[in-house]
Amino acid sequence: NAGVTQTPKFQVLKTGQSMTLQCAQDMNHEYMSWYRQDPGMGLRLIHYSVGAGITDQGEVPNGYNVSRSTTEDFPLRLLSAAPSQTSVYFCASSYSRTRNSPLHFGNGTRLTVT
Amino acid sequence: AQKVTQAQTEISVVEKEDVTLDCVYETRDTTYYLFWYKQPPSGELVFLIRRNSFDEQNEISGRYSWNFQKSTSSFNFTITASQVVDSAVYFCALSEDRDDKIIFGKGTRLHILP
Repeated sequence: NAGVTQTPKFQVLKTGQSMTLQCAQDMNHEYMSWYRQDPGMGLRLIHYSVGAGITDQGEVPNGYNVSRSTTEDFPLRLLSAAPSQTSVYFCASSYSRTRNSPLHFGNGTRLTVT
Repeated sequence: AQKVTQAQTEISVVEKEDVTLDCVYETRDTTYYLFWYKQPPSGELVFLIRRNSFDEQNEISGRYSWNFQKSTSSFNFTITASQVVDSAVYFCALSEDRDDKIIFGKGTRLHILP
């Protein structure tokens, strides 16, 4: 049982480049979300989705796009990378949109933008 | 909007001491859910506990215990007889019943010294 899989594990980008962070879960979870973790800032919610075809903004959505065409996948797109987007990114999923469900996290993607 | 405050940025204690991690939350919703997660040095995020707003019963799991007090909007986490393996960053999180966002505090980094 793979759980939540994030790829790549590490990535270095130059300012202005674009890329997609991949996230897939095999638990048939409805809810998926993306967080970024920065020193002293904790985990901040970027975007989330309560089901296929539905996405919404979190606390820090600027500079990021998401889509949810399938239940399993929730990619995060950086259209034009900036040094301020250097961070560790975590994808998470939970069983249902009820707020009682704990999140299952991927192992993270460490992104550096130079 | 909901908010989680973990005022203790970093705590160091000697092994076998008891330690309490504080979590204070803000919400306008009457139904909400509180969580604690652990992030060991290896970096993964691990779910520890969930508590519903209508259940103020404290919980004990081995050396871990949680004290939920609605009167002070707090959900504190105590580790009894700490061990080196407890060294980690601990996050408190909140979700409201009327919202799909799960918001985290900034975390408390706990060092258990041998």
